[in-house]
Amino acid sequence: DTAVSQTPKYLVTQMGNDKSIKCEQNLGHDTMYWYKQDSKKFLKIMFSYNNKELIINETVPNRFSPKSPDKAHLNLHINSLELGDSAVYFCASSQSGQTTEAFFGQGTRLTVV
Amino acid sequence: GQNIDQPTEMTATEGAIVQINCTYQTSGFNGLFWYQQHAGEAPTFLSYNVLDGLEEKGRFSSFLSRSKGYSYLLLKELQMKDSASYLCAAASGAGSYQLTFGKGTKLSVIP
Repeated sequence: DTAVSQTPKYLVTQMGNDKSIKCEQNLGHDTMYWYKQDSKKFLKIMFSYNNKELIINETVPNRFSPKSPDKAHLNLHINSLELGDSAVYFCASSQSGQTTEAFFGQGTRLTVV
Repeated sequence: GQNIDQPTEMTATEGAIVQINCTYQTSGFNGLFWYQQHAGEAPTFLSYNVLDGLEEKGRFSSFLSRSKGYSYLLLKELQMKDSASYLCAAASGAGSYQLTFGKGTKLSVIP
């Protein structure tokens, strides 16, 4: 039983396209996150979201937008893809009100050509 | 602002002990996590410290000093499978916390 699952695992697309990455968690957590890991393996927070609050890292371009249809899902939409968007994107979830570990999905390797 | 610093790479011998240090400067600090990440895989949780002191979990231990903004991860009886990146992450914020990661320490275990 996968706790946090992302699809697709690999995504290759051309510059200028719009794409989405889906994320679902079955842990009953109320908070979900998107992280970007670049070629130097630096893992950087992009968004954190629960049903009350969206926190956006100020360095994230507004071409990136999270969409949460319900508490178990947080999808990442990316418009007008650029070469520099190539990275591995990780979804994660945790439970608010207690500092327990965040669980990560397996990652989506995005390659923009 | 948030700043996490850890060594980029370390090498250690199978069966030995290695200590990976991490220093942090985080506003709204709410605990320190260590994650392990093998190449091409997701980060997996190793340990969490919120109070000063040592937390031991099998071959892995983690230490925290809040006053010094310092933590370390201690790996004992190293095995080849311990070759991975080790990520130090500071939690901040109440309620839904955010993790700020260091750049990771790539540990190579050699025979």
